[in-house]
Amino acid sequence: NAGVTQTPKFQVLKTGQSMTLQCAQDMNHNSMYWYRQDPGMGLRLIYYSASEGTTDKGEVPNGYNVSRLNKREFSLRLESAAPSQTSVYFCASTSPGLAGTLSSYEQYFGPGTRLTVT
Amino acid sequence: AQSVAQPEDQVNVAEGNPLTVKCTYSVSGNPYLFWYVQYPNRGLQFLLKYITGDNLVKGSYGFEAEFNKSQTSFHLKKPSALVSDSALYFCAVSRLTGGGNKLTFGTGTQLKVEL
Repeated sequence: NAGVTQTPKFQVLKTGQSMTLQCAQDMNHNSMYWYRQDPGMGLRLIYYSASEGTTDKGEVPNGYNVSRLNKREFSLRLESAAPSQTSVYFCASTSPGLAGTLSSYEQYFGPGTRLTVT
Repeated sequence: AQSVAQPEDQVNVAEGNPLTVKCTYSVSGNPYLFWYVQYPNRGLQFLLKYITGDNLVKGSYGFEAEFNKSQTSFHLKKPSALVSDSALYFCAVSRLTGGGNKLTFGTGTQLKVEL
């Protein structure tokens, strides 16, 4: 049971290049999330997927797109990278609550991808 | 709108002494509150949560947290700190939006435990 895995661990991009960050979980969780972590700002939600087939914007979605490929996998794409997207990116997953209710389950996080855009 | 405040960027404590990492929150309705820990170059690890019931919740590695509704606080505590507790700690509140369960995080508190 690997939990939440992310690839790659490190990446350096030039401004304008594109890339996709991959995330997979083997815990049969329905909900998956992408966060970015910047010094002094905590974690901010980029996009989330409440269940397979659905995605929605978080606090900071500009410049990103996501794909919920199947129940296990949730990818984050940067179409044209900018230096402001230099950050550490975390994927997380959890079980949802009943429809319309808060889930009491904690989120499980991957090890992160450290991205530098020059 | 929900928010979480961690008023201290860093907390220093001597090994063996009790530690407290502060967290206050603002949320409409009953909060679901969480503490996570992050070691260098690692992802976040779940420590404990308050959902309902007893205001004192116990979690991993000897940590506990006290939910105080009147003060809207959820401070993390440990009776006797260890050097290995040195890490970055995040408080978070859960909110329900558009059918998804989202966490709002505080900015984090760096805990340094010294010999």
